[in-house]
Formats: sequence, structure tokens, C-alpha cells
Amino acid sequence: QVQLQESGPGLVKPSQTLSLTCTVSGVSISSGGYYWHWIRQHTGKGLEWIGHIYHSGTTYYNPSLENRLTISVDTSKNQVSLRLSSVTAADTAVYFCARQRGYYGSGNARLDSWGQGTLVTVSS
Amino acid sequence: QSVLTQPPSASGTPGQRVSISCSGGSSNMEINTVNWYQQLPGTAPKLFIYNNIQRPSGVPDRFSGSKSGTSASLAISGLQSEDEADYYCAAWDDSLSGWVFGGGTKLTVL
Repeated sequence: QVQLQESGPGLVKPSQTLSLTCTVSGVSISSGGYYWHWIRQHTGKGLEWIGHIYHSGTTYYNPSLENRLTISVDTSKNQVSLRLSSVTAADTAVYFCARQRGYYGSGNARLDSWGQGTLVTVSS
Repeated sequence: QSVLTQPPSASGTPGQRVSISCSGGSSNMEINTVNWYQQLPGTAPKLFIYNNIQRPSGVPDRFSGSKSGTSASLAISGLQSEDEADYYCAAWDDSLSGWVFGGGTKLTVL
């Protein structure tokens, strides 16, 4: 059974870079067939898609974050990472990693496994 | 402001049937399928409906989904107290090349 676990600092200072790692167990990222997403949720708010990566390294980013965002994959560690630079208080949120099964645009595309999420607070 | 539109709240009494709506646009719901997620307080979203109508293993058949054009609905029959949660609709957006979500509907079981 696949499991996803986010990790990283819970507190980041304004203007610094937020770095998170999603460690995947139960499936090999390098085997392909899945897309790996980052999604965040501001306190008491809805879900916001951040971006995703395929095992090949192909990425798609939310245009609203694209100029500050890097998502990468380390298949040797079975991890997906997120780096968001120049953070502000508006980046305070719970960050989730999630697995997409099914090719996007196909009827079967869905986020079928999620990490528990990690709260990141941006504050000095 | 979410791309997909949901009512912020819904409610019902035990045993009732409730429905939650979701509306989108031409780049998402009109051309792609809709998924629904249940989120209990302090937990991650859980997939409840995908491909408009499909239920993952373990999701009760009291939950059903439908879609027509740019609108979709999640229906819950035989409402139970454990169904009290936030529900989010989602669809792939071809313009964004990413997922778009509704703002969430808080379901209260009275």
C-alpha cells in the first residue's frame, strides 16, 4: 500500500525559501505510471494545486507560483521535493503531496493517495 | 477564489438525502471528469468519487456522483453522523495543466 509522508521545517522566515520533501513508500517513483503533485490548503480555506512532476522530471507549475517554484524528483531516494522561494505570510498553509493515478485528461485521472500534510508557517 | 463553485454549506438530518453541487467551465468540467474528496477535520482529503460516478473501494454506495456539461453533483443518501465533513469537487483543467478545486462544502448532520 502506497504511503506518502511530507517533511520539512514548520517555520520559515519571510523572503526565505520553503523546502519540503515527500517520501514515497510502497511504490517506486521510477517505475512510472503516476504523477506526483503538491497541493496546499490555507487555514480554513480550500485546496490550491501547486504543481506536479513525473518520474522523468517533467514538471507543470501553477502559473501563480511558477516564478518562485521548483519541484524535483530523486528516484534513488523515492522522494519528490518542493522549493518555494521568496515566501510571504500568504504562503502559510498546510502542504500536501499526492499521487495521481491515470493520465490527466483521461476519465480515470484522480489523486488517489495523499500524505497527511505538513503545516508551514511563514513568520519572522 | 476557487475555479470551481460549490455552496459553502449543506445540512441534513440522519437518514436524509443531501446533494452538493459543483459548477465549472469550458477548460475543466466541460471536457474532463469530476472527482470528489471528503476531508475530515485535521486530515488529508480522501478520494470518494472519480470519473464522475466511480467509487473507490471502501466508499459506501450511499455516495453517488453525477455530471452534466459543466455541472456536477455529489449525493449522499441515508445520511449518517460520520458523513459530517468538508467535500471538495475537482477537475483537471486543460488551460492550467493542473487540478482545479471547488471551495469546499461543509456538510453538517443535524
